[in-house]
Amino acid sequence: AQTVTQSQPEMSVQEAETVTLSCTYDTSESDYYLFWYKQPPSRQMILVIRQEAYKQQNATENRFSVNFQKAAKSFSLKISDSQLGDAAMYFCAHTGTASKLTFGTGTRLQVTL
Amino acid sequence: DAGVTQSPTHLIKTRGQHVTLRCSPISGHKSVSWYQQVLGQGPQFIFQYYEKEERGRGNFPDRFSARQFPNYSSELNVNALLLGDSALYLCASSLYGWEYEQYFGPGTRLTVT
Repeated sequence: AQTVTQSQPEMSVQEAETVTLSCTYDTSESDYYLFWYKQPPSRQMILVIRQEAYKQQNATENRFSVNFQKAAKSFSLKISDSQLGDAAMYFCAHTGTASKLTFGTGTRLQVTL
Repeated sequence: DAGVTQSPTHLIKTRGQHVTLRCSPISGHKSVSWYQQVLGQGPQFIFQYYEKEERGRGNFPDRFSARQFPNYSSELNVNALLLGDSALYLCASSLYGWEYEQYFGPGTRLTVT
């Protein structure tokens, strides 16, 4: 069975600083994808970044980047130059050939001035 | 282009009743997935449909069923509602299958009393 674990229920970062959100996962599949989704208080979930397991290069999207450690089954999200609009729930998610997207429990990110 | 739309936005039902939730995917998307998100938790996968066929099912009882129509819209049906079915029900669409980015709708908030 697939599991996704986010061990940080809440994180706080000052505006313009950098923060890293942690995620570990467990899977028996060799072909899978990992995602970070953001859910702002208005609740619509949006994709932040996507990583294919077969790619060794870490994905990057503007201020968002991941540290993908396949052997350790770790997939952390780094947000650089944090902005007030980054405040949201962040969910790590995994999907494999079973057509099932499994989410973690989420990390609530607060951005302070 | 319109995003994923869901109806209704909010719904209040009584235990034992039946409910139907509706979802319209982004134009051109052939896959629709349904998720249940209980307050304070990550979304839980319920179903995925692709080209009107069920491609994946989560660990939900048979009271939950879904279907996808020729225009790729989808319905989620829940029979014999329980208090524990109270949640935000999210629909997501993607171009094809599980490895593609999923675009989420705003959700339907179901309250069972």
